[in-house]
Amino acid sequence: QKEVEQDPGPLSVPEGAIVSLNCTYSNSAFQYFMWYRQYSRKGPELLMYTYSSGNKEDGRFTAQVDKSSKYISLFIRDSQPSDSATYLCAMSASGTASKLTFGTGTRLQVTL
Amino acid sequence: EAQVTQNPRYLITVTGKKLTVTCSQNMNHEYMSWYRQDPGLGLRQIYYSMNVEVTDKGDVPEGYKVSRKEKRNFPLILESPSPNQTSLYFCASSLLFQGASGTEAFFGQGTRLTVV
Repeated sequence: QKEVEQDPGPLSVPEGAIVSLNCTYSNSAFQYFMWYRQYSRKGPELLMYTYSSGNKEDGRFTAQVDKSSKYISLFIRDSQPSDSATYLCAMSASGTASKLTFGTGTRLQVTL
Repeated sequence: EAQVTQNPRYLITVTGKKLTVTCSQNMNHEYMSWYRQDPGLGLRQIYYSMNVEVTDKGDVPEGYKVSRKEKRNFPLILESPSPNQTSLYFCASSLLFQGASGTEAFFGQGTRLTVV
């Protein structure tokens, strides 16, 4: 079993929809949770960063962490075609940059 | 502009022919790392470095070497490439300590390597 599980999709939604992307994990030591966005033929870019449990909002994006369930989510409101990309969750146990464990990524397509 | 630069972007080579993929960052970051990305497996860490002359193995280090002689550069070396090293490679850099407020990790554009 992988440490981090993520549905690969693809997930196709119409423009304006609310998108929910999720990851589950097995390592209870994880405390730092990230979401990266990766456009085709590009490197991943950091979208959201959350420490421990709770919610974090940034514009149309909301990240949620439920450590008791070992479950993290990324919500995208009012989705746009420009949100079409692969979304990778990542997590680490320490506050240093040494060990990040990534999910396999969910491919999202937002259609007009 | 803050960036991580990898070269080359695309490379086709033959089995056993040594190659180097370069990575350079202009943000004075202590931490640099190499990942490979494969379908269904996601991003897996190959090697990382916490500072000059400090390197360590990630999850999949076999068949790779790295060096960190200068803070800005972190080349990935394949001494004798094999077809199972065909992959998309990313270099990344960030500050070393990330704390509760977080810090951004910057990725390069990727190097698509094919070993035939």
